[in-house]
Amino acid sequence: DVVMTQTPPSLSVAIGQSVSISCKSSQSLVYSDGKTYLHWLLQSPGRSPKRLIYQVSNLGSGVPDRFSGTGSQKDFTLKISRVEAEDLGVYYCAQTTHFPPTFGGGTKLELK
Amino acid sequence: QVQLQQSGAELAKPGSSVKISCKASGYTFTSYYISWIKQTTGQGLEYIGYINTGSGGTNYNEKFKGKATLTVDKSSSTAFMQLSSLTPDDSAVYYCARGRTGSGDYWGQGVMVTVSS
Repeated sequence: DVVMTQTPPSLSVAIGQSVSISCKSSQSLVYSDGKTYLHWLLQSPGRSPKRLIYQVSNLGSGVPDRFSGTGSQKDFTLKISRVEAEDLGVYYCAQTTHFPPTFGGGTKLELK
Repeated sequence: QVQLQQSGAELAKPGSSVKISCKASGYTFTSYYISWIKQTTGQGLEYIGYINTGSGGTNYNEKFKGKATLTVDKSSSTAFMQLSSLTPDDSAVYYCARGRTGSGDYWGQGVMVTVSS
C-alpha cells in the first residue's frame, strides 16, 4: 500500500497566522490518465472528515480561498493563509490513485 | 441537501457480528458508489472498500476481506456494512462516504462500534 507521511504531526498557531502542512507519498500519485489524485481533508473536533481540496489544488464546494494546495508526483503541501478559529482540527492528506486509498497520519492544528 | 445518515452506536461481544447502515438522501442513490472507512486512534483512517449502489458489486481493501461485507438496498437508498467475528481491534468509528474512493464530498456522521465482553 502507498504510505502517506504528513509533517508536522501538530501545529500551534495564532489566529491570522499562515501555516503549511507537508504530505509525502511512497509512490508517485500520477494516475494513468495524467491526473494526480491527492486530496486534503479536515476533521473538526467531534465531526466527520470533510474534503477541502481534491486533485492537489481544487477547492471543494464552499471551501474558502484561504486554503490552497500545491505539489506533484510524491510531494504535496496544504497552505492555510490567515488561520481562523473554524480552521482548527486535524488535517489529513489522502491518495486515491492507487488501490486501496490511503491516508496520512494527520496534522493537528491548535490555537497558540 | 445531500445527507448520509448512519445508524447508532453498537456494543458487541467478541466473536459476534454487527450490521451498520448508511441511508442516503438528497441525491440519486444509484448515481454514486458508497465507500466505508474505519477510524481508530492508533491506526488513523483506513479504507475498507466500496459498493456499486447500482449493481451491488464490491471491492475490498485486502486487509478487510473476510471482516467486512458490503451490501445495498436500492429501494430504501441504504448501504450496509456487516462486520463479523468481532475482536477488540474492530472497536472503532466507522464512516460511510459518497463515492468509491473514501475521500468523497459527503460523509456520514460515523458509527462507534465497541467490542467488549
